[in-house]
Amino acid sequence: KQEVTQIPAALSVPEGENLVLNCSFTDSAIYNLQWFRQDPGKGLTSLLLIQSSQREQTSGRLNASLDKSSGRSTLYIAASQPGDSATYLCVECNAGGTSYGKLTFGQGTILTVHP
Amino acid sequence: NAGVTQTPKFRILKIGQSMTLQCAQDMNHNYMYWYRQDPGMGLKLIYYSVGAGITDKGEVPNGYNVSRSTTEDFPLRLELAAPSQTSVYFCASRTPGGEKLFFGSGTQLSVL
Repeated sequence: KQEVTQIPAALSVPEGENLVLNCSFTDSAIYNLQWFRQDPGKGLTSLLLIQSSQREQTSGRLNASLDKSSGRSTLYIAASQPGDSATYLCVECNAGGTSYGKLTFGQGTILTVHP
Repeated sequence: NAGVTQTPKFRILKIGQSMTLQCAQDMNHNYMYWYRQDPGMGLKLIYYSVGAGITDKGEVPNGYNVSRSTTEDFPLRLELAAPSQTSVYFCASRTPGGEKLFFGSGTQLSVL
């Protein structure tokens, strides 16, 4: 059974700090990995998607990296703002055989950025 | 494009009642998924579909049924609702080519 683990479970930082969220996965046949944010009572919004052939993706203040050999991905948020407060989810997509297209979710990191 | 549309947004059921959660997408995506999210837990896959007429069980299919008669629609049926089915339900879709996963806004269901 594939597993995705996110560390830390919760993080509270002052505004302006750079921060790193960690995701580890056990799937050796990863197809891609996607980072989402979820606001309370809302759905999930896609932030970045990294294909298995890529090492990183960037969007604005966000940078996500992927290291297949170690089974790790990180989400880097630069100059954090109160509006970044949300739960961040890491989702791994499998590439192999009958599991193709299956997604495994981490439990999320709850981020609070205080003014 | 409206994206992935889920209805209803909220629903309260009595034990033993049945209902259908609707999900529709207008992006011509082949892959569609149903997840449930319990407080403090990750999303768990209930059922998924790789195309019209094809469905398969996920991690937690018991108590649910699905159908996929068209590419656009993927309804989730709850028969004989139980308190353990109280959760937030999310529908999602994607293309099989590794593109982004799109989520609906969720249905909050309470079974009392």
